[in-house]
Amino acid sequence: QQQVKQSPQSLIVQKGGISIINCAYENTAFDYFPWYQQFPGKGPALLIAIRPDVSEKKEGRFTISFNKSAKQFSLHIMDSQPGDSATYFCAARGGGGSQGNLIFGKGTKLSVKP
Amino acid sequence: DAGVTQSPTHLIKTRGQQVTLRCSPKSGHDTVSWYQQALGQGPQFIFQYYEEEERQRGNFPDRFSGHQFPNYSSELNVNALLLGDSALYLCASSPGQGTREQYFGPGTRLTVT
Repeated sequence: QQQVKQSPQSLIVQKGGISIINCAYENTAFDYFPWYQQFPGKGPALLIAIRPDVSEKKEGRFTISFNKSAKQFSLHIMDSQPGDSATYFCAARGGGGSQGNLIFGKGTKLSVKP
Repeated sequence: DAGVTQSPTHLIKTRGQQVTLRCSPKSGHDTVSWYQQALGQGPQFIFQYYEEEERQRGNFPDRFSGHQFPNYSSELNVNALLLGDSALYLCASSPGQGTREQYFGPGTRLTVT
């Protein structure tokens, strides 16, 4: 119940294409769903996040779609660029007494080909 | 505005030794969380410090301990190192214990031989 399942493990997209990464969770107490971007040798950088009372959030080329009934959420990267090549992690925050605990998916390695 | 800083960048230790990693939170942040990221995996929550006390803990043994100082900086200590402790150790800070956003530092790469 404390897991966040992320797919695909790796993704290759052509420049200008749309990258889509999916995550699923079981625990309905999760109250916050961020996406992080991590480049090799760096720490994860907060990209965009959503709360479960919102179905979609867009920031620039990045959009989170959230389906509360299906317990799924996804990251869409529009007009993907080679500079977007990185590993992306979805995460969920435990509600109640677990508010400090971000639970991460296993990551998706995105390669954007020029 | 300095972000989260961690030291050292890299560290090599021998099995059985002890190690201390350090973290300075982002300016204005008073809550520090520590995560372990094994190669090819997502970060795993170790514990969180707020007001100089451990507030939450993940599924890590007592060999992992920490401390938070009055200036909000924090240390992670690992005793009796095992080969499996080799990982990237990440510190994340947030402006309040209940705040959702966590901002990560660059991490400390620990190698245990």
